[in-house]
Amino acid sequence: KQEVTQIPAALSVPEGENLVLNCSFTDSAIYNLQWFRQDPGKGLTSLLLIQSSQREQTSGRLNASLDKSSGRSTLYIAASQPGDSATYLCAVSPGGKLIFGQGTELSVKP
Amino acid sequence: NAGVTQTPKFQVLKTGQSMTLQCAQDMNHNSMYWYRQDPGMGLRLIYYSASEGTTDKGEVPNGYNVSRLNKREFSLRLESAAPSQTSVYFCASNPAYNYGYTFGSGTRLTVV
Repeated sequence: KQEVTQIPAALSVPEGENLVLNCSFTDSAIYNLQWFRQDPGKGLTSLLLIQSSQREQTSGRLNASLDKSSGRSTLYIAASQPGDSATYLCAVSPGGKLIFGQGTELSVKP
Repeated sequence: NAGVTQTPKFQVLKTGQSMTLQCAQDMNHNSMYWYRQDPGMGLRLIYYSASEGTTDKGEVPNGYNVSRLNKREFSLRLESAAPSQTSVYFCASNPAYNYGYTFGSGTRLTVV
């Protein structure tokens, strides 16, 4: 059974710091991995999608990597800002559905 | 704006009442999904529809029914609501199984 784990569960950093969020999964048979952002009381906003054949994707200050063989993905956020404060979720798709981690709650202090 | 639209945004039900959560997407996606989000449990799949005319159970289907009305619309029905169904419900869609997902803004349901 596929399981997705995100570490840490919560993270507090000062503004301007570069940071890394971690995601691990137990079964490497996935089609893709997707990172989402969720603000309190809101829906999920897609940040980056990495197909199984890709190693990384970049969007602005965000960079996500994927290592299928080790079952790991990282989300790198450069020069963090208070507006980055949110819960970040990773999810893997073995086909037909998404399996989510529990999320990392990020707080960026001014 | 193109995307996934869910109605209603908030709902309070009494135990035993029924209701239907509506979801519509205007991106011509083939697949649609219903998830629930609970504190400490994360997001769990209730039902999904890989294509128009098909539906399948997810991880937590008990107490729910779904209808894929057409390619755009996928509804979730609670026949006899229970307090355990208090949750935030999200609808999502994607073009096919190996594409990224787009989520709606959610329905906050409280059953008292």
